[in-house]
Amino acid sequence: SQKIEQNSEALNIQEGKTATLTCNYTNYSPAYLQWYRQDPGRGPVFLLLIRENEKEKRKERLKVTFDTTLKQSLFHITASQPADSATYLCALGSGTYKYIFGTGTRLKVLA
Amino acid sequence: DGGITQSPKYLFRKEGQNVTLSCEQNLNHDAMYWYRQDPGQGLRLIYYSQIVNDFQKGDIAEGYSVSREKKESFPLTVTSAQKNPTAFYLCASSTPRGGYSYEQYFGPGTRLTVT
Repeated sequence: SQKIEQNSEALNIQEGKTATLTCNYTNYSPAYLQWYRQDPGRGPVFLLLIRENEKEKRKERLKVTFDTTLKQSLFHITASQPADSATYLCALGSGTYKYIFGTGTRLKVLA
Repeated sequence: DGGITQSPKYLFRKEGQNVTLSCEQNLNHDAMYWYRQDPGQGLRLIYYSQIVNDFQKGDIAEGYSVSREKKESFPLTVTSAQKNPTAFYLCASSTPRGGYSYEQYFGPGTRLTVT
């Protein structure tokens, strides 16, 4: 069955460092992959989308890579700030209206 | 101010009662979705609708029902047949482009507690 894996353990990093989050998937061939941010008790907020034919996408301090051979996406936050502390979800989509979401990785940036 | 609203934010019900969660959007999006989120789990799709008067079951539709009579509204009813209804419910919408549905816009969520 289709499966998405994100590191369930919280990631703690020091302010100013680069945070790297991983999203691995199996038994799926997504046309695109998305990253969302979710704060406690709130709905997710869309951050970035990367298509299967794109290797890398950037937006301000955010960078996403997509390796369809490894079936993996990496999400980077450079110059991290305490305000970046949240849970980050990856989601896969194909040529339908359905998405598959990972469980999310909780990031804590320490001042 | 465009967005998705869900009401209420917290909902408490007794076991055996049906309850309806509201979801309204003014983004003019065609597609709407309902997800359920439990601690330590990803979002699981309950139902989705691509257009008015049409909707499809997601991965965990048993015990739930929906309607899509208006483009702006997609209410979810949690019936007494749902075995574990206590959860955080999220509504989302998106607009398709080129046959794909891209980023989703989520509401603030409704936390349902059934005792």
